[in-house]
Amino acid sequence: GAGVSQSPSNKVTEKGKDVELRCDPISGHTALYWYRQSLGQGLEFLIYFQGNSAPDKSGLPSDRFSAERTGGSVSTLTIQRTQQEDSAVYLCASSLRLAGGPWETQYFGPGTRLLVL
Amino acid sequence: GQSLEQPSEVTAVEGAIVQINCTYQTSGFYGLSWYQQHDGGAPTFLSYNGLDGLEETGRFSSFLSRSDSYGYLLLQELQMKDSASYFCAVSSGDKLIFGTGTRLQVFP
Repeated sequence: GAGVSQSPSNKVTEKGKDVELRCDPISGHTALYWYRQSLGQGLEFLIYFQGNSAPDKSGLPSDRFSAERTGGSVSTLTIQRTQQEDSAVYLCASSLRLAGGPWETQYFGPGTRLLVL
Repeated sequence: GQSLEQPSEVTAVEGAIVQINCTYQTSGFYGLSWYQQHDGGAPTFLSYNGLDGLEETGRFSSFLSRSDSYGYLLLQELQMKDSASYFCAVSSGDKLIFGTGTRLQVFP
């Protein structure tokens, strides 16, 4: 597609349930990033992928969070046993390669707004 | 550790000039980027400085001083549509570290 897409756009779930968030990056972009943004806050880095590998998982808040990427394209962020503090906007971005130069602009998707009741 | 500091909020009137500062502490620094985010929207790329000096893109300019670990975004001829949050981000290693954002409100 023309841009990064994410689904669902909104998700309301009950505490304790598992959720899956999907990101479809721009075709040809090898790097993919997940961020979390709480209301009125900055972007909190969660994880990034280069191809299907995740060299840096240091931002994942707990072992309830996991992510995978298959075929160098679509990525899924899974949150198990959701808690109310997981409520936030989850943003995905993709770039041609890893951060480090002007050609590595990150293009963001519209985000998934997660509300845990 | 890594940290970025920018003002939480800035206000200005249409037609004015505003400067948003960003100071950072990081290892493995490659460059400083700026992103704009309208309420309810996704961040979009504005500019990047890999070297010291000023980069100009239309009404927006960005500056970097690596020796001072400091940069700024300069917005000229402000328009109402410029009301948004602005994030500085440092390229460190393989990822971008974002600041907490500066909310710019432009008044008529």
